This record gives sequence, C-alpha cells and structure tokens, in this order.
Amino acid sequence: GQQVMQIPQYQHVQEGEDFTTYCNSSTTLSNIQWYKQRPGGHPVFLIQLVKSGEVKKQKRLTFQFGEAKKNSSLHITATQTTDVGTYFCAGMDAGKSTFGDGTTLTVKP
Amino acid sequence: NAGVMQNPRHLVRRRGQEARLRCSPMKGHSHVYWYRQLPEEGLKFMVYLQKENIIDESGMPKERFSAEFPKEGPSILRIQQVVRGDSAAYFCASSLFNQPQHFGDGTRLSIL
Repeated sequence: GQQVMQIPQYQHVQEGEDFTTYCNSSTTLSNIQWYKQRPGGHPVFLIQLVKSGEVKKQKRLTFQFGEAKKNSSLHITATQTTDVGTYFCAGMDAGKSTFGDGTTLTVKP
Repeated sequence: NAGVMQNPRHLVRRRGQEARLRCSPMKGHSHVYWYRQLPEEGLKFMVYLQKENIIDESGMPKERFSAEFPKEGPSILRIQQVVRGDSAAYFCASSLFNQPQHFGDGTRLSIL
C-alpha cells in the first residue's frame, strides 16, 4: 500500500532561523496536502499542490511539489514562535489520503 | 457555517465499557475519515466512509471497533469493551472527493 515518509520527526530552531520538512511517497500522487496542528489542537489544512513541479507561497511558507509527484517540501523562512506545531503532509491517491507522521517544530525565542 | 462537529470533546470510560464518538461532517461533505492520535505521535488512519458505505477500514482494529455513517445523522465510531490502550485523541475529518480534509476538534478518550 501507499506509504508517506516525512522527515525530520523533530526540529528545534532559534527564532529567526529557517525550517524545512520533507515528504516522500512510495507511489505517484494525484495531489499533496499540508496541514498544521498546534499543541492541543486539531490539524488545520494549509495548502494543496496538484501540478508537477508546483510551487506555492503563503507569506513566509513555501510549498513545493516534486516533478515526479512523489515528494514535497515545506520551507518556513525566519521562523517565529507562532510557527510552533506539527506539520503533516498527506498524499492523495485514488481518493485516499495517507498522512506522514509529521514534523514537530519548536522555536526558541 | 458550521465546521466538522465532534462530540463529546472529552469522554471518560471504565475498562469494559463502551465508547461512542460522534462526528457531524461539514455541510455538503459526504466523505468522513476517522483517525487516532496518541500523545506526541502522528495521525493514524482508522477508517474512511461515505454515506452508508465503508470504503476503507484497513486501519481499524479487527475486534471491538466499528464505524458507521448512516444516511441520516452523524458518523459514529464505536469502541466496545474499552481497554487502557484505547486512551487517545480521536479525530474525525470530512471532505469532498479528492479534496482537503477538514478536521473536528477531536474527542479525548480516557480509560480508567
């Protein structure tokens, strides 16, 4: 079955440093979605990427979808304390989503 | 514009009792997903349902767990004869086909 691997599992950064999380799928995806879960909260949808090689930006967040549609990344520039939480990718294939295990980001002020 | 509604938010059960978790999807959404999350861990897929049909239950334990999404009313995740290991947060999400999922606030289940 489809597997989605996400690395790293944890990332600790100093406020102002950059952060990147990577997502790799064992199969080609129809699209990939990114979610953020704050501590004690529920996952919240951030963005969906559909096209091969697609790049989307949301303020300090940059999302990329690989050419082969099997990998993706989320990059945060100049992290802030409000960025703390767990970032999940979810690969969509034939109507089914498979979530990665997430990358938990902590930011030291 | 109600989002995904889950109740109860917190549920306490003694070992051996039954737990019923409810999820009302967003208006217009016919796809419902249930996930379990242990503290400091990721989302573990349990089951994917459409109205009156179970599409994928590959993540559901074979015993004690069942899920339904009737034609009328909320989706129900039912855990019979709960054990301590069932303590977790259970999240429900809904979506349109092949579209992003919208999550509820979750039900925190504690087993005494």
